[in-house]
Amino acid sequence: SQKIEQNSEALNIQEGKTATLTCNYTNYSPAYLQWYRQDPGRGPVFLLLIRENEKEKRKERLKVTFDTTLKQSLFHITASQPADSATYLCAAISNFGNEKLTFGTGTRLTIIP
Amino acid sequence: ETGVTQSPTHLIKTRGQQVTLRCSSQSGHNTVSWYQQALGQGPQFIFQYYREEENGRGNFPPRFSGLQFPNYSSELNVNALELDDSALYLCASSPSPGLAAVEQFFGPGTRLTVL
Repeated sequence: SQKIEQNSEALNIQEGKTATLTCNYTNYSPAYLQWYRQDPGRGPVFLLLIRENEKEKRKERLKVTFDTTLKQSLFHITASQPADSATYLCAAISNFGNEKLTFGTGTRLTIIP
Repeated sequence: ETGVTQSPTHLIKTRGQQVTLRCSSQSGHNTVSWYQQALGQGPQFIFQYYREEENGRGNFPPRFSGLQFPNYSSELNVNALELDDSALYLCASSPSPGLAAVEQFFGPGTRLTVL
């Protein structure tokens, strides 16, 4: 069955370092991947979208890559700050034509001062 | 411009009861999607409404139903509540129905507890 997996349930990173989060998908080839940030008790907030023909996308301190050979997306936060602490979700369309968005379980990122 | 709002914030029901959750979409958005998020999990797509019609559905039973109104606000109804229905219910609005290539704006969610 089609799956989106985010490898780490939790990740602790020292302030100022680069945080790298991983999203793997199996048994299908999504045309798009999206990344969201979710704070406790709040709805997800859209961060970035990357298309399968885009290798990399950047927005301020954020960078997303999309490797269709490895079936993987990496999400990087450079110069991390404690305010970046949150759960990060990746999402992909699971059935082109049905346009159903499937989310991973998320990675809880903590930036340690 | 107001964001996506949901009501109520919290709700406690007992097994077998029915519940209605409400969502007001962001100004200018004609599409609303509903998600269920269990604790420690990612959101799961329930269904989407576009211009008052259901436009795609996830793997949820028929006791999960919805409506969209002419002002694009929406309701999620769940009948015959089960304990496993306890979750955060999220509504997301977008300016068009395509989910993959379009940014969705999520509301704060309704926390439903079924006892």
